[in-house]
Amino acid sequence: GDSVTQMEGPVTLSEEAFLTINCTYTATGYPSLFWYVQYPGEGLQLLLKATKADDKGSNKGFEATYRKETTSFHLEKGSVQVSDSAVYFCALRNYAGKSTFGDGTTLTVKP
Amino acid sequence: EAGVAQSPRYKIIEKRQSVAFWCNPISGHATLYWYQQILGQGPKLLIQFQNNGVVDDSQLPKDRFSAERLKGVDSTLKIQPAKLEDSAVYLCASSPAQGADYNEQFFGPGTRLTVL
Repeated sequence: GDSVTQMEGPVTLSEEAFLTINCTYTATGYPSLFWYVQYPGEGLQLLLKATKADDKGSNKGFEATYRKETTSFHLEKGSVQVSDSAVYFCALRNYAGKSTFGDGTTLTVKP
Repeated sequence: EAGVAQSPRYKIIEKRQSVAFWCNPISGHATLYWYQQILGQGPKLLIQFQNNGVVDDSQLPKDRFSAERLKGVDSTLKIQPAKLEDSAVYLCASSPAQGADYNEQFFGPGTRLTVL
């Protein structure tokens, strides 16, 4: 079956540091890929997505590129802020419309 | 546009009791999902509806969990009887059947269930 593997956390960074959260996947065919963010006490919110190979999703300074050759979708941000502290989930949606999520990476940004 | 609504937000019950959760999806969204999110893990799909028909319930523990979506709008998820391992956040999500956002799921705030 499909699977998503995320870099284990927690990740603690200082404000303005560079962020990378690794995500790799296994799936049949060419799934769509997503990053969701979950703030304390809230549901998941879509952060960005990419639907085909070499697409780059971007939002709020975050970016991720769909790499078919390495089956990866790593999340990056050049300069994190305290307000970026949250749990980040990598996910895929396969050809049948079924979604699979990674276990999440907790990011804490300190001032 | 109103988001996905869920109630209650929190529920504490004892094992072997019953509990029900309610979800109201975004208006016009044909697809509705229930996920179970155990602490420290990603959401796991329990059941997916397309309008009022079940598309996927392969991971729903059918001996104790049931779900329905009457009239293709609101949905309820029930657990009877609850076990300790059912303690989790239950997330409801919806998505449109077509259009620019058809690939995206919109999540509600979740119901945190604690089974004692």
